[in-house]
Amino acid sequence: GAGVSQSPSNKVTEKGKDVELRCDPISGHTALYWYRQSLGQGLEFLIYFQGNSAPDKSGLPSDRFSAERTGGSVSTLTIQRTQQEDSAVYLCASSRGTSGTGGETQYFGPGTRLLVL
Amino acid sequence: DQQVKQNSPSLSVQEGRISILNCDYTNSMFDYFLWYKKYPAEGPTFLISISSIKDKNEDGRFTVFLNKSAKHLSLHIVPSQPGDSAVYFCAASASPSGTYKYIFGTGTRLKVLA
Repeated sequence: GAGVSQSPSNKVTEKGKDVELRCDPISGHTALYWYRQSLGQGLEFLIYFQGNSAPDKSGLPSDRFSAERTGGSVSTLTIQRTQQEDSAVYLCASSRGTSGTGGETQYFGPGTRLLVL
Repeated sequence: DQQVKQNSPSLSVQEGRISILNCDYTNSMFDYFLWYKKYPAEGPTFLISISSIKDKNEDGRFTVFLNKSAKHLSLHIVPSQPGDSAVYFCAASASPSGTYKYIFGTGTRLKVLA
């Protein structure tokens, strides 16, 4: 079956422009996550969607960042008025989203490499 | 404030020898830990996990050890192979019902020398 896909794979933009990054999770996965990896850093949690519940936006670094998930499947991460410090690899992951004890495996997409000039 | 720390940014090991990757955490509420492997230009892929009710989990050449009192986990790869060369991330979560927010370390780049 298909894994998590992300588009575009690379994006170069000018400071101040808006960008949209897309994530297609694994079919049937109800949980979806966005992470950011800046140069030399670990994966930084941004936002988490689980089914129809209100998303956990606690990781979004500023109000320039927003994400939505339409129809419980595809998600779009939008960065408005991009800044040079937004340059990073943006990774999307999905998981089955079952609740209960223990964790579950997140399956990652290949990421979108964003460069803000 | 880094809750999950991988203090060694890189590690080089000879093929056939043991690779030991370390990870420390500060949050005593963490109850589930994972290791992910990442090749260049690819997303991280799941490698092995361990629940806090265990102190060891083994899968083929990969073994994860958890020392809760020391808040330390390690990944052992035996024997190491050149294809194991990648960046390894540890991750931890404290899972109240229904949420699985993982905190990742900064990664350790493993190079296995042929």
